Amino acid sequence: EAAVTQSPRNKVAVTGGKVTLSCNQTNNHNNMYWYRQDTGHGLRLIHYSYGAGSTEKGDIPDGYKASRPSQENFSLILELATPSQTSVYFCASGDAPGGTGQLYFGEGSKLTVL
Amino acid sequence: DAKTTQPDSMESTEGETVHLPCSHATISGNEYIYWYRQVPLQGPEYVTHGLQQNTTNSMAFLAIASDRKSSTLILPHVSLRDAAVYHCILRAMNQGGSAKLIFGEGTKLTVSS
Repeated sequence: EAAVTQSPRNKVAVTGGKVTLSCNQTNNHNNMYWYRQDTGHGLRLIHYSYGAGSTEKGDIPDGYKASRPSQENFSLILELATPSQTSVYFCASGDAPGGTGQLYFGEGSKLTVL
Repeated sequence: DAKTTQPDSMESTEGETVHLPCSHATISGNEYIYWYRQVPLQGPEYVTHGLQQNTTNSMAFLAIASDRKSSTLILPHVSLRDAAVYHCILRAMNQGGSAKLIFGEGTKLTVSS
């Protein structure tokens, strides 16, 4: 069974602080994703990656950076957190193009910025 | 990636067969149709996908119109565990395959006993 693990699961941060959300996958998938989910907006794509060393902007990248240091790890970085970034963040991994295209999601990280 | 349109919500009763519609009038020839479902406090879960032919697995049957402008996810004999938000998504698989996967609001399926 594919496994995607996120940490922390819950985080309270202060405005202007730096927040790093981490994601680890044991699926050996090339593609990884960060989404945020808010009531009324569904899942919105922030950043994604095709493999180690690559990051691509999704639909709402402003205020976020991403880092993919290895095949297994993909981090989402909020350098200067704002209350508008309070949300639930989901990481996902998916197999290489030509595969089924199925994504496997983590359990989510709830971030509250005060 | 092309956009999909789904009803905001649908209601059903345990044991019924549920048909969840999805419209994708501007779908491209290289775009696959994916369905995911999500329950509260969890990440989305893959249900099924298809390109042109109808597909079936242990979770659902996916019926794709011959012109591919719409599809229907069919859930036979639903139970309370099938209550979730169901997302219909298009994904292009060209130029090495796009990694980008865009979710909409989905259809909230309520199942009553």
